[in-house]
Amino acid sequence: AQTVTQSQPEMSVQEAETVTLSCTYDTSESDYYLFWYKQPPSRQMILVIRQEAYKQQNATENRFSVNFQKAAKSFSLKISDSQLGDAAMYFCAYKGGGSNYKLTFGKGTLLTVNP
Amino acid sequence: GAGVSQSPRYKVTKRGQDVTLRCDPISSHATLYWYQQALGQGPEFLTYFNYEAQPDKSGLPSDRFSAERPEGSISTLTIQRTEQRDSAMYRCASSLRLAGGETQYFGPGTRLLVL
Repeated sequence: AQTVTQSQPEMSVQEAETVTLSCTYDTSESDYYLFWYKQPPSRQMILVIRQEAYKQQNATENRFSVNFQKAAKSFSLKISDSQLGDAAMYFCAYKGGGSNYKLTFGKGTLLTVNP
Repeated sequence: GAGVSQSPRYKVTKRGQDVTLRCDPISSHATLYWYQQALGQGPEFLTYFNYEAQPDKSGLPSDRFSAERPEGSISTLTIQRTEQRDSAMYRCASSLRLAGGETQYFGPGTRLLVL
């Protein structure tokens, strides 16, 4: 079974600074997808960014980017120019390819942004 | 609709009562998923539907849990004879189709408290 590990229960960053959230996963599959979801205090679950394992290029969405290291099974999220609205719980998630359908989540990292 | 909606947003019930939670997916989405999220944890898969079919119920914690999607759109999750350990956030998600790369979009969740 696939597992997703987020080793940082909590992180903090100063406004306008950069922070990196870590995620590692375990899988024997070659085709899969990785996601970062954000859960703000409202408890919504919002997609931040996704990465296809077959793509070598790291995904980027505005201030959010990933460092995808397939051999190391690592998928970290970098938030640049942090804003107060970035404060949230961040979940890393894994989804197998093909007919796989379930997301497997890590336990989350609580990010605090200090003004 | 514009996004996934769930109702009610909050539900408080007494142990032993039955509860029914509702999910209205994005209108064009064929696939619908239910997850359970305990406090301080990432969501865990319960079950999913592809149109009306429910191919996998393996994540349902017990036979007190059941889900339906009779017309391939709105889904309900019913918990019979609720127990305190059922207290959690119940999240619904939908995706355009059942394929490995499809992104799952989450609703706001229903927070269930069993007294």
